[in-house]
Amino acid sequence: KNEVEQSPQNLTAQEGEFITINCSYSVGISALHWLQQHPGGGIVSLFMLSSGKKKHGRLIATINIQEKHSSLHITASHPRDSAVYICAVPSGNQFYFGTGTSLTVIP
Amino acid sequence: DVKVTQSSRYLVKRTGEKVFLECVQDMDHENMFWYRQDPGLGLRLIYFSYDVKMKEKGDIPEGYSVSREKKERFSLILESASTNQTSMYLCASSLMGVAAKNIQYFGAGTRLSVL
Repeated sequence: KNEVEQSPQNLTAQEGEFITINCSYSVGISALHWLQQHPGGGIVSLFMLSSGKKKHGRLIATINIQEKHSSLHITASHPRDSAVYICAVPSGNQFYFGTGTSLTVIP
Repeated sequence: DVKVTQSSRYLVKRTGEKVFLECVQDMDHENMFWYRQDPGLGLRLIYFSYDVKMKEKGDIPEGYSVSREKKERFSLILESASTNQTSMYLCASSLMGVAAKNIQYFGAGTRLSVL
């Protein structure tokens, strides 16, 4: 069993739809990271959160530490949101990564 | 802006060749990491380094070694490349300390093909 499970693995949405990506983890943590990887490989950090909710533009991340669950929401999705979204859970000096959710937003 | 630069975007090597993947960061970060990324498996840690000349094995160190002679540079070495090392390799860096408090900054990745 993976320490970090993401769902869904693949997601196709029409432009404008509200999108939710889920992450569940089994390791104990004090913070969780959401990452975005565009075609071509580069990974950028979207959020680091340890409680509640964070918002950046059309992206919203929530976390429930007790339930060991986090969600990433995208409102009014756009084709440029098409990417792989990765949940990362730190443990000591390292991270455990989910396998990623591949999102395609169709115009 | 933090910049993590990997020396090559694409590499094609032959089985048995010695391969060097270089990574340089410009933000004086103490921690540096090498991952490989394969479809369905996500990112897996090969090695990380928390200081010059210091290294620790990650989850999949077999067939790899690393070198950190200077703080800004972390090299991944495939001593004798094999076809099962065909993958995307990603370097990352972060400030010193536990991962929970620090964002990792990633390079653009090197897609290595071993024929």
